Amino acid sequence: EPEVTQTPSHQVTQMGQEVILRCVPISNHLYFYWYRQILGQKVEFLVSFYNNEISEKSEIFDDQFSVERPDGSNFTLKIRSTKLEDSAMYFCASSETPNYGYTFGSGTRLTVV
Amino acid sequence: GENVEQHPSTLSVQEGDSAVIKCTYSDSASNYFPWYKQELGKRPQLIIDIRSNVGEKKDQRIAVTLNKTAKHFSLHITETQPEDSAVYFCAASISLGTASKLTFGTGTRLQVTL
Repeated sequence: EPEVTQTPSHQVTQMGQEVILRCVPISNHLYFYWYRQILGQKVEFLVSFYNNEISEKSEIFDDQFSVERPDGSNFTLKIRSTKLEDSAMYFCASSETPNYGYTFGSGTRLTVV
Repeated sequence: GENVEQHPSTLSVQEGDSAVIKCTYSDSASNYFPWYKQELGKRPQLIIDIRSNVGEKKDQRIAVTLNKTAKHFSLHITETQPEDSAVYFCAASISLGTASKLTFGTGTRLQVTL
């Protein structure tokens, strides 16, 4: 079964540092997403991406966040200057159509110290 | 925006019993309702989903029902087994052309006891 791959699985960073979380979506999927989950809480939408553009973003996705598809396979989330409250599990997802059949990656646990 | 409420937050059932988890949503334009199972430290895994043009869907021991008028949907697990123990999240989604996002409920921790 095709998988969404995320690296690293765990990242520890100092407050104020930049981090890049990487994802390889399923190859024939066209729609890409980032979600986050603070420990013990629900999964929250950050951003959706299609055709090399952001198609929707949440209030959480402020100017400190950016996404990029630098080549034909990777999809990245950059946090420019991390804060303590950015500590969470970040899930990448992809789908073949915009509203159906999401597949989530295994997540990157980001710890900001 | 969309708001999804989920109940109960915890549910303990004996092995073999049924479990029911309920969700309500606020935006009548939502048209896709997936359910995810999440084991500790792992990714959410889709277990069943339903579109707004369908009232009920079943897959072996799992079923989902949707009441569009009342804006609520439910997950039913029959003949529960210990491996069903996990956190279950409902979600609702609206697709607007190329944009879509899942709004998740707060989760239900299901514990199946022997």
